[in-house]
Amino acid sequence: EPEVTQTPSHQVTQMGQEVILRCVPISNHLYFYWYRQILGQKVEFLVSFYNNEISEKSEIFDDQFSVERPDGSNFTLKIRSTKLEDSAMYFCASSEGTGRQPQHFGDGTRLSIL
Amino acid sequence: SQKIEQNSEALNIQEGKTATLTCNYTNYSPAYLQWYRQDPGRGPVFLLLIRENEKEKRKERLKVTFDTTLKQSLFHITASQPADSATYLCALDGYGQNFVFGPGTRLSVLP
Repeated sequence: EPEVTQTPSHQVTQMGQEVILRCVPISNHLYFYWYRQILGQKVEFLVSFYNNEISEKSEIFDDQFSVERPDGSNFTLKIRSTKLEDSAMYFCASSEGTGRQPQHFGDGTRLSIL
Repeated sequence: SQKIEQNSEALNIQEGKTATLTCNYTNYSPAYLQWYRQDPGRGPVFLLLIRENEKEKRKERLKVTFDTTLKQSLFHITASQPADSATYLCALDGYGQNFVFGPGTRLSVLP
């Protein structure tokens, strides 16, 4: 069964540095998402992406965040100047078709900011 | 602000019994409600989707109900097994509204 893959599985970065988290969504999916989950807390929506542009974003997704689909397969989340509170698990997801469909999640990247 | 509550943080039941998990919401008008399973260190896995005009959905041992008047969804696992032990998340989706997850209920099925 096709799956969403995320790399790296664990990223350790110094505060203030830039990080790029990478995702390969399922190939025929059209909608892409990023979520974060701080340890012990709920999964929080960050952003959705369709047709090469952001379709929705949450209050968490401020100017330090950006997303990109640099080629036909990858979907990236960039955090420009990391803060301690950015430490979390970041999940990528994708869904097919138009409108609301089940989302398929990767197993996440654990981001640790020192 | 939008609020989603799931009945309890943790639920323990005996193997073979039916587990019932509750999702309540306020300040949201969902067009869809979804249930996901999350195992430790893994991403959520989709289980069932129910639309606002549907009352009930079933899939194998799983059943979901959706009452937009009560603003509540119930998620049932019949004939529960230890392998069903996981955290179960409800998620709301509405037009013009962000996708929102509940805090989850950690289910433990005891042999």
